[in-house]
Amino acid sequence: DSGVTQTPKHLITATGQRVTLRCSPRSGDLSVYWYQQSLDQGLQFLIQYYNGEERAKGNILERFSAQQFPDLHSELNLSSLELGDSALYFCASSPGGEQFFGPGTRLTVL
Amino acid sequence: AQTVTQSQPEMSVQEAETVTLSCTYDTSESDYYLFWYKQPPSRQMILVIRQEAYKQQNATENRFSVNFQKAAKSFSLKISDSQLGDAAMYFCASGSYTDKLIFGTGTRLQVFP
Repeated sequence: DSGVTQTPKHLITATGQRVTLRCSPRSGDLSVYWYQQSLDQGLQFLIQYYNGEERAKGNILERFSAQQFPDLHSELNLSSLELGDSALYFCASSPGGEQFFGPGTRLTVL
Repeated sequence: AQTVTQSQPEMSVQEAETVTLSCTYDTSESDYYLFWYKQPPSRQMILVIRQEAYKQQNATENRFSVNFQKAAKSFSLKISDSQLGDAAMYFCASGSYTDKLIFGTGTRLQVFP
């Protein structure tokens, strides 16, 4: 158990819909990262937050947005969903250096 | 741009034997970290081992060790005394202290009894 929690574990929705993925980092970690893993591919960085502020952006679509709240939990919002958005979405938290990953949310868009 | 390359899509090993997974990287950072993550069928990303680039000594964690060749930008993972539970996808990754991780495409390891 990494100490990072993500909800929900699975999400099935239809094209055009909007969903919210939630992440709670390890106690004391200020940095939260979001990654997307499609099929059996490597992880692609989406966005990073540090202590409530956006720190870096990767290949994140404009339909996607995220935020980190004062209690340091983070949410990733995905809107106008398309079939290609089906993937495993990971959240990771870090004290600096290594990143600890949550169990992921598997999103299926039908 | 930072890149991480894993040239072995699949590897196999006999139980109790040793296997080495390869990884090369390219980065413009002067201070960086390298990692190996394991992803079993459960899809959880599990940190196996980490190496700070400024350290010359190769990292070791029980049966897992790395061969870090900084000049060659090579970072291989050696698994000794392989166990059935080692079967998984293994991802090599690089990043700086406060930055995103760049992942390779992974190596699927099969372990045969």
